[in-house]
Amino acid sequence: AQKITQTQPGMFVQEKEAVTLDCTYDTSDQSYGLFWYKQPSSGEMIFLIYQGSYDEQNATEGRYSLNFQKARKSANLVISASQLGDSAMYFCAMREGREAQGGSEKLVFGKGTKLTVNP
Amino acid sequence: DAMVIQNPRYQVTQFGKPVTLSCSQTLNHNVMYWYQQKSSQAPKLLFHYYDKDFNNEADTPDNFQSRRPNTSFCFLDIRSPGLGDAAMYLCATSRFQGQTQYFGPGTRLLVL
Repeated sequence: AQKITQTQPGMFVQEKEAVTLDCTYDTSDQSYGLFWYKQPSSGEMIFLIYQGSYDEQNATEGRYSLNFQKARKSANLVISASQLGDSAMYFCAMREGREAQGGSEKLVFGKGTKLTVNP
Repeated sequence: DAMVIQNPRYQVTQFGKPVTLSCSQTLNHNVMYWYQQKSSQAPKLLFHYYDKDFNNEADTPDNFQSRRPNTSFCFLDIRSPGLGDAAMYLCATSRFQGQTQYFGPGTRLLVL
């Protein structure tokens, strides 16, 4: 079974609108971390946002927010006020284990969602 | 600015000719990772170093080796590149295991 599932291979959004990119995960650990990365066509992976499994508040970073629903095992990325520069691949990833105790060094990535922002 | 640097950004090599990709970091992070990413796929972890301790993924081919001579530098050596090794190679670092990984810009490898 996949540990990280991103069901949307591609998404389109109009400039200035909000968009939600879906991510569900599968783990039996109580402690884990969830990450979102952006990968433009240039290839670099840019860290966007992090959510720890024990964090009570949804993470936010500027126009990015993470809609964390622990019971449903989902960690959707919300991008508000989309910009043309947001067009890229977006990867959801999970680290299993507790960060404070080292956790797992391994990030498990989903297959990604290609976001296109239309003018 | 503190960062992860990869050189070269593009590398062309011949089938079977050894090639080395380099990664350096100014973040003073303890952990350095190498990922392989093929077209339209997620990154795949090849191995990582925690300080000088090398950790190889079970399914990483023997053709891939790595060296970390000091905290700042890490190298990926492909001893005999095959056509299937053409990919983007991403280096990442984290302060400690399990913490956020920061990636370099990647090296695109083409094998002729």
